[in-house]
Amino acid sequence: DVKVTQSSRYLVKRTGEKVFLECVQDMDHENMFWYRQDPGLGLRLIYFSYDVKMKEKGDIPEGYSVSREKKERFSLILESASTNQTSMYLCASRKGVHYGYTFGSGTRLTVV
Amino acid sequence: EDKVVQSPLSLVVHEGDTVTLNCSYEVTNFRSLLWYKQEKKAPTFLFMLTSSGIEKKSGRLSSILDKKELFSILNITATQTGDSAVYLCAVGGSQGNLIFGKGTKLSVKP
Repeated sequence: DVKVTQSSRYLVKRTGEKVFLECVQDMDHENMFWYRQDPGLGLRLIYFSYDVKMKEKGDIPEGYSVSREKKERFSLILESASTNQTSMYLCASRKGVHYGYTFGSGTRLTVV
Repeated sequence: EDKVVQSPLSLVVHEGDTVTLNCSYEVTNFRSLLWYKQEKKAPTFLFMLTSSGIEKKSGRLSSILDKKELFSILNITATQTGDSAVYLCAVGGSQGNLIFGKGTKLSVKP
């Protein structure tokens, strides 16, 4: 089974801190994604990557950046955390465009 | 703008009932439609549909796609409390990414 691992289940950070959310997949998937999920808004795409060193903005990239130095790892960075970034963050990967996503367990981030 | 709309947003039923969840979409260059079940954490894959009129089935769950009318339904028969979850519909479009609906929250009462 494909495994997508997010490093933290719960995180509490202070406003202004730099926050790193890590995601690792173990099945050599090409594509990786970061979403946030909020009540009433559903899943919204932050950034995605179709290959190593490649990144593309999703629907809500403001306040975030990403890094994909190795195929298996896709990191989401909050440059200066703000309270409106309190959310559930979900990482996903897939083999290619004709395949579904496999999700990680999510990181519930609270910014205080 | 691409969009996926699910209805109803929430639903409460009793064990043994049959439920139908709806998903309509407007997506450029449709590739596929997927259904996921989300309990407390990560969404888990249920079905991927690419062709109209072909039912996919897994136990008490089934789904079908109508590409002419741009919708899909997810049926759950003889519901159980373990079916309580948020059901997400997602559609793959021109960019290749999945566009998600807001989900249907299903609560099954004993």
